[in-house]
Amino acid sequence: AQSVTQLDSHVSVSEGTPVLLRCNYSSSYSPSLFWYVQHPNKGLQLLLKYTSAATLVKGINGFEAEFKKSETSFHLTKPSAHMSDAAEYFCVVSPMTTDSWGKFQFGAGTQVVVTP
Amino acid sequence: DAGVTQSPTHLIKTRGQQVTLRCSPKSGHDTVSWYQQALGQGPQFIFQYYEEEERQRGNFPDRFSGHQFPNYSSELNVNALLLGDSALYLCASSLGGRSSYNEQFFGPGTRLTVL
Repeated sequence: AQSVTQLDSHVSVSEGTPVLLRCNYSSSYSPSLFWYVQHPNKGLQLLLKYTSAATLVKGINGFEAEFKKSETSFHLTKPSAHMSDAAEYFCVVSPMTTDSWGKFQFGAGTQVVVTP
Repeated sequence: DAGVTQSPTHLIKTRGQQVTLRCSPKSGHDTVSWYQQALGQGPQFIFQYYEEEERQRGNFPDRFSGHQFPNYSSELNVNALLLGDSALYLCASSLGGRSSYNEQFFGPGTRLTVL
């Protein structure tokens, strides 16, 4: 069985400071992992994905995430927050088993607030 | 290149009624997945369609059914609506094939309110 836990429901940062969003996963096999962002009244947008090619993954808008198998984590970071980063962020696991592939499992989400 | 489109954007129904939501996938995509996102929660997987057949299903009752057409567009039907069915319904498209690496592209969603 697969599961994903986002450790913070809300994160507040000042503009220009680093952002860290934490995600832990549970999986019987090495999964595919994704980060999506959801701005108010907009659809989910893919930030980045891990597919076992490299443990440090770079995404759009300056975001990156590091896959750590020993810690079963896939934390999302950005060196300097921008006001436009205020949104809901979801960590997603995609199972590797043939009876479950394609069944995206979302975390509960982390709401990011950016203050001037 | 049009992305994933969904219709309608908003819908209000009463308990016991039936509803149909529609989705057109991103150009070139052949797989459609449906998700339910309750207020303040992450999306929950309902089911996935590929080659006009339901390929995967989440933990949703049989009141939730779907269909995929030859042009890859899809419908989500919900019968005997309950108050708890009020949510944002998201459609996502992707390329088929047995790979969990394929990212899914999401539409803006249909906001369903059940009174």
